[in-house]
Amino acid sequence: AQSVTQLGSHVSVSEGALVLLRCNYSSSVPPYLFWYVQYPNQGLQLLLKYTTGATLVKGINGFEAEFKKSETSFHLTKPSAHMSDAAEYFCAVRANAGNMLTFGGGTRLMVKP
Amino acid sequence: NAGVMQNPRHLVRRRGQEARLRCSPMKGHSHVYWYRQLPEEGLKFMVYLQKENIIDESGMPKERFSAEFPKEGPSILRIQQVVRGDSAAYFCASSPGLPALGNEQFFGPGTRLTVL
Repeated sequence: AQSVTQLGSHVSVSEGALVLLRCNYSSSVPPYLFWYVQYPNQGLQLLLKYTTGATLVKGINGFEAEFKKSETSFHLTKPSAHMSDAAEYFCAVRANAGNMLTFGGGTRLMVKP
Repeated sequence: NAGVMQNPRHLVRRRGQEARLRCSPMKGHSHVYWYRQLPEEGLKFMVYLQKENIIDESGMPKERFSAEFPKEGPSILRIQQVVRGDSAAYFCASSPGLPALGNEQFFGPGTRLTVL
């Protein structure tokens, strides 16, 4: 069984500030980890994923995430927020032999001018 | 290459009616997944299908819900006798191959079902 916890359902940052969205997971087997972004009334777009190998993963739009096995975390960061980053972000986990993604509750990111 | 297509984008039904949601996967994808997103919540897995087969339906409610992915045509998620609690966004995703091989799921724009 696996689960995902996203700490903070709403995060607000100023434009240009660091973005940090937290994700902790539990999985009984080595996980694949994902971050998706959802803009209003749209589907989910993959930002980045971790499967194996390098634990620091770079994605689109300047985002990156680091897989920390000891902390069971996969936090998403971006050095400098842009207004266009305002959206809902979902962390997801999948057992490497599993069929389904298990999603966290989501974090709504607001960017202030 | 068109992405995952879902229609309708918005669907309004009265209690007791049937809802049919359609999903056309990306070209070359033979694996389809359905997820449900209740208001203010994350997505929850419902069912995973390959052509003509249901592979995993562990997330599907036992009654009123069914899914198919025929040899020809889109995947259909069918909800019979809808109730207000069925109001949600239903997302379809597709992938080109087996999840265990690391194949990514590509999501459609969703169908937003409102039950009056």
